[in-house]
Amino acid sequence: AQSVTQPDIHITVSEGASLELRCNYSYGATPYLFWYVQSPGQGLQLLLKYFSGDTLVQGIKGFEAEFKRSQSSFNLRKPSVHWSDAAEYFCAVGENTGNQFYFGTGTSLTVIP
Amino acid sequence: DSGVTQTPKHLITATGQRVTLRCSPRSGDLSVYWYQQSLDQGLQFLIQYYNGEERAKGNILERFSAQQFPDLHSELNLSSLELGDSALYFCASSVEYSGNTIYFGEGSWLTVV
Repeated sequence: AQSVTQPDIHITVSEGASLELRCNYSYGATPYLFWYVQSPGQGLQLLLKYFSGDTLVQGIKGFEAEFKRSQSSFNLRKPSVHWSDAAEYFCAVGENTGNQFYFGTGTSLTVIP
Repeated sequence: DSGVTQTPKHLITATGQRVTLRCSPRSGDLSVYWYQQSLDQGLQFLIQYYNGEERAKGNILERFSAQQFPDLHSELNLSSLELGDSALYFCASSVEYSGNTIYFGEGSWLTVV
């Protein structure tokens, strides 16, 4: 069955430090992969997506993610975190032949000055 | 702004009551998804409609129902409300019914007292 795992429930980083949020998926075919961010009391905003092609994708707000098929991973990275990046981050897998989206349980990011 | 509009933003109601949440998808999007987000259950897929027809059903309770109208807006009806139904209900939309990015509204906060 398809699934998405975000192993880290909560991460704390210092402002200016680098960030990597992990995402592993289980899907039979090549998946469509997404990262969304949710600020408190807000909806989910799309950060970036991977459908095909270059496995390193750039998103908004300085985020990037790399698709590694061999590891079934789609980790999100940012070289220098800003205090405004504090939020909940969700990884998602979309079916390329069906209509389902599978979300991870989210990683809560705290940024300390 | 994702272009997905949800109303109301906040709603407080008593147990046993019925409420209707409304969603207007992005212009041109034919598919609408409903999700429930609670602290203990995370982001749960409820149901999807595409061009007026139900396409996928997730963890939606029998007390809940939804529909998509000819103008493509959608409503989620929640009846016989229980305290545990208190959650943030998201609507999302996409162009097609599969293999596409979904865009989320800001959600409707439902509090059942």
